[in-house]
Amino acid sequence: SQQGEEDPQALSIQEGENATMNCSYKTSINNLQWYRQNSGRGLVHLILIRSNEREKHSGRLRVTLDTSKKSSSLLITASRAADTASYFCATLGYSTLTFGKGTMLLVSP
Amino acid sequence: DTAVSQTPKYLVTQMGNDKSIKCEQNLGHDTMYWYKQDSKKFLKIMFSYNNKELIINETVPNRFSPKSPDKAHLNLHINSLELGDSAVYFCASSQGGVRGVIRETQYFGPGTRLLVL
Repeated sequence: SQQGEEDPQALSIQEGENATMNCSYKTSINNLQWYRQNSGRGLVHLILIRSNEREKHSGRLRVTLDTSKKSSSLLITASRAADTASYFCATLGYSTLTFGKGTMLLVSP
Repeated sequence: DTAVSQTPKYLVTQMGNDKSIKCEQNLGHDTMYWYKQDSKKFLKIMFSYNNKELIINETVPNRFSPKSPDKAHLNLHINSLELGDSAVYFCASSQGGVRGVIRETQYFGPGTRLLVL
């Protein structure tokens, strides 16, 4: 069954605002990863957080992981029009990376 | 200097035909994957190969047959194509651990958009 579930399904904001996306999962994980997919393109890895980490930063990205609640959030600060894309969380169990359905982010200039 | 490449980018074919999609990675990774992304953007793993050995074979019709001639290539052959096979197929690679157990990130190709008429 599907592991990651992103919330919201779609998010529309103005440039400069922050965007927060959430991901919930069901079983224990080794790590959780966030990917971005621009329209008509492949997925690009953004950030990985291991199961023993609680927070990680990379540029304008901030990821949190709460293993007790089986949830993660991705925060994009000071969003830009170029951030418009679909964002997927993916959870790594023993040997399989399982993706959620994604959050579609639209950043308007 | 493309990391993971797939050909063709678009594939339009009739039901019942047989087609192949090719994937190559120049990252020196040990593990390669095929994913299927449906019209609702749900991405699901189909196969995983580590050093030419099949590691993961999810519930996929046996009309789909992956072939890995070497660890830099993983091709996907599909027999007797059906309407439901229409999707975007992504190849990916990663530096796998023991027997392909993933530890790190995956690098995706640009996708092959398959439309079965």
